[in-house]
Amino acid sequence: QQPVQSPQAVILREGEDAVINCSSSKALYSVHWYRQKHGEAPVFLMILLKGGEQKGHDKISASFNEKKQQSSLYLTASQLSYSGTYFCGTEPVGGGSTLGRLYFGRGTQLTVWP
Amino acid sequence: SAVISQKPSRDICQRGTSLTIQCQVDSQVTMMFWYRQQPGQSLTLIATANQGSEATYESGFVIDKFPISRPNLTFSTLTVSNMSPEDSSIYLCSVKGTVNQPQHFGDGTRLSIL
Repeated sequence: QQPVQSPQAVILREGEDAVINCSSSKALYSVHWYRQKHGEAPVFLMILLKGGEQKGHDKISASFNEKKQQSSLYLTASQLSYSGTYFCGTEPVGGGSTLGRLYFGRGTQLTVWP
Repeated sequence: SAVISQKPSRDICQRGTSLTIQCQVDSQVTMMFWYRQQPGQSLTLIATANQGSEATYESGFVIDKFPISRPNLTFSTLTVSNMSPEDSSIYLCSVKGTVNQPQHFGDGTRLSIL
């Protein structure tokens, strides 16, 4: 059930862009994106629902292609505060007893240098 | 979003003992989950805490090792039983209001077994 995330790590200079990809072998109902800083809990960034949508928040946006079971997170004009590990959490289609369950990728470690 | 309180925030325990972790939410939520995050790893779903009935466990996790209670819509506990050093992890509870809403995490419990 674990989705595949890529790349494993990204190193950027401030102001550069990055894309993180998440791919599942299962049909998905939703995709959640989180950022986790060292020693802290994961912080929710955005949720994308079945129906194929794109969302944006400030300079962070994401897309969800439900036909391909793929999602991408776009970070533009990166800031130092963007550093951390990014996780995608996928919720399979199914409902019932599987409703709401998230399965997480291995994470992408993003480092932004000044 | 809901305020999620987890207790204890950290603990150091002796092998063979048990520890109960509490998760309290400041508002009623439909779904509550328990995850484990081993050092430097991704988040792994342990179980769905079902209100008023037995939890639903993921493959590899059993009730005897990780008994879970959820007596109401705002509270759940996870017990880690007969602990061994391999149980050293961060344990996180998460909550979700309704189907299309995000899932948010508590701050986690950092558990070390000696």
